[in-house]
Amino acid sequence: EAGVAQSPRYKIIEKRQSVAFWCNPISGHATLYWYQQILGQGPKLLIQFQNNGVVDDSQLPKDRFSAERLKGVDSTLKIQPAKLEDSAVYLCASTPLTGATQYFGPGTRLLVL
Amino acid sequence: GDSVTQMEGPVTLSEEAFLTINCTYTATGYPSLFWYVQYPGEGLQLLLKATKADDKGSNKGFEATYRKETTSFHLEKGSVQVSDSAVYFCALSDRDSNYQLIWGAGTKLIIKP
Repeated sequence: EAGVAQSPRYKIIEKRQSVAFWCNPISGHATLYWYQQILGQGPKLLIQFQNNGVVDDSQLPKDRFSAERLKGVDSTLKIQPAKLEDSAVYLCASTPLTGATQYFGPGTRLLVL
Repeated sequence: GDSVTQMEGPVTLSEEAFLTINCTYTATGYPSLFWYVQYPGEGLQLLLKATKADDKGSNKGFEATYRKETTSFHLEKGSVQVSDSAVYFCALSDRDSNYQLIWGAGTKLIIKP
């Protein structure tokens, strides 16, 4: 069974630029999560989708971050414009349903200069 | 609200030493408990889990027992290897947190040959 796929693996941008990350969850997994992990810290949930609907985006900085999962499968997370403090690893996870074990992708490492 | 507390790192051990990483939790419900591992430059991998009191999760020589009376889920391994060097995260999820993962801060483990 293929795992959670993410791309790109690494991205370097300058502040005020925009960037987008892509995630393809495990086939059949209805719930998808985006996390931000700053170096030396645990993951912070940004947004949770159930199929193509948003369950929780209370910690998403909506002035600059957006996310979508239009067809209930893959998802994109966008930052526009980026700030220095957005430098982090962005992790995507999926589960077959809410409450089940979350499976993580390899993450996208973002460096904002 | 729910919370997870892990012992601070880094923890430095010699190869073949016995490992314990302490994890305690606070939850109003009956959470499921998890240990995730993050190897350098990689995403999070589920190491083991337990879903009810007195359950023991095990994988790759690691074990943890769900102790409701002490609200603990300590990670143990009898003989560590250099390849076990990583960051270990304790986490919980339950209905009160909408099954979102509540994370500890992570414990960095360094194994010296």
